[in-house]
Amino acid sequence: GQQVMQIPQYQHVQEGEDFTTYCNSSTTLSNIQWYKQRPGGHPVFLIQLVKSGEVKKQKRLTFQFGEAKKNSSLHITATQTTDVGTYFCAVSSGGSNYKLTFGKGTLLTVNP
Amino acid sequence: SAVISQKPSRDICQRGTSLTIQCQVDSQVTMMFWYRQQPGQSLTLIATANQGSEATYESGFVIDKFPISRPNLTFSTLTVSNMSPEDSSIYLCSTRQGWQETQYFGPGTRLLVL
Repeated sequence: GQQVMQIPQYQHVQEGEDFTTYCNSSTTLSNIQWYKQRPGGHPVFLIQLVKSGEVKKQKRLTFQFGEAKKNSSLHITATQTTDVGTYFCAVSSGGSNYKLTFGKGTLLTVNP
Repeated sequence: SAVISQKPSRDICQRGTSLTIQCQVDSQVTMMFWYRQQPGQSLTLIATANQGSEATYESGFVIDKFPISRPNLTFSTLTVSNMSPEDSSIYLCSTRQGWQETQYFGPGTRLLVL
């Protein structure tokens, strides 16, 4: 199945600083999804990127899909304590054998 | 969006016993998935459960250890059999919906095996 590497594993920032997590694949991806898991919670879907070079924004969050569709990033501007959690990228294999494979995640902690 | 509930939310079990986890979706769905998330780790897919057919297990997971039922389009169970401390994890069920193939997760079952 498809594999995706995610870095960094951990990131600690001061409130107001920016944060970025990256996902990379050795193969071309059909799409990539991003999820957020708050401490003690379950993963919650944030967004799906499909097109080469796509950029999508959700308030302070900016998601990018690389031109070659092999990498993606999630950038948070001016972090807040509510941004704390683990951010996962996930890639799907389509068709009748559909499944979602998750990256290892980036745990973000924010110091108020 | 799908709303998923799981029972139990947590349990502490003795080694050698079995636990059945229930997953209920508020709408009919074709595919349901069971994941395991070990402490501080990512999610690993255990199996895919389609109604009316045998579950499809991922590498490293077998039916004897993790039998799954899928009696209808809104419900599934996962049994963790003959448990050992290594089975201590969060078990999550999920389904996907919509054109974006968004995956929705239940709140998880936190299992501790002593």
